[in-house]
Amino acid sequence: AQKITQTQPGMFVQEKEAVTLDCTYDTSDPSYGLFWYKQPSSGEMIFLIYQGSYDQQNATEGRYSLNFQKARKSANLVISASQLGDSAMYFCAMREVTGNQFYFGTGTSLTVIP
Amino acid sequence: DARVTQTPRDKVTEMGQEVTMRCQPILGHNTVFWYRQTMMQGLELLAYFRNRAPLDDSGMPKDRFSAEMPDATLATLKIQPSEPRDSAVYFCASGFWDRGGFGTEAFFGQGTRLTVV
Repeated sequence: AQKITQTQPGMFVQEKEAVTLDCTYDTSDPSYGLFWYKQPSSGEMIFLIYQGSYDQQNATEGRYSLNFQKARKSANLVISASQLGDSAMYFCAMREVTGNQFYFGTGTSLTVIP
Repeated sequence: DARVTQTPRDKVTEMGQEVTMRCQPILGHNTVFWYRQTMMQGLELLAYFRNRAPLDDSGMPKDRFSAEMPDATLATLKIQPSEPRDSAVYFCASGFWDRGGFGTEAFFGQGTRLTVV
């Protein structure tokens, strides 16, 4: 079974609009962390935001926020006020404390339209 | 500015040759990952180390791939012999993760783009 599922291969958003990138995860470990990374066309992997399984509040980092719904096992990334520079691949990832591995989804390609 | 350093950035080699990719993790990080990224398979975990000990290398084709950490400042990934299907971008990532917590996120190097012809 897939540990991380990203069901949107590609998304388009108008500049200055908000966009939500979906991520669902599968784990039986009570302790885990959820991460989002951005990969622009240059190829580097850039860490965006982190949410721990015991965190009560949704994580926010500037224009990025993580909509964490634990019961639904979803960790959607919300980008507010999209900018042209946000065009990139976005990966959701999870680390389980017991397993120690770092699982990645297949990614969502986001294109911001001027 | 601490970063994960990978060398070489680009490598073109002929089928059958040995390829060695190097990674310098961020000083103080105790966990190192090797990933392979292709269009078809996405990001695949090949191997990872904690405190220089290999914890899992089940993602690696054992007959041709090997990963080592000869010291805390160097991780290597070798392919011998290389094949055209090994063409991909290989990423190294490091982080500091405790057994009981999460520590830092994983920081990625810029990758090695390998082309086997």
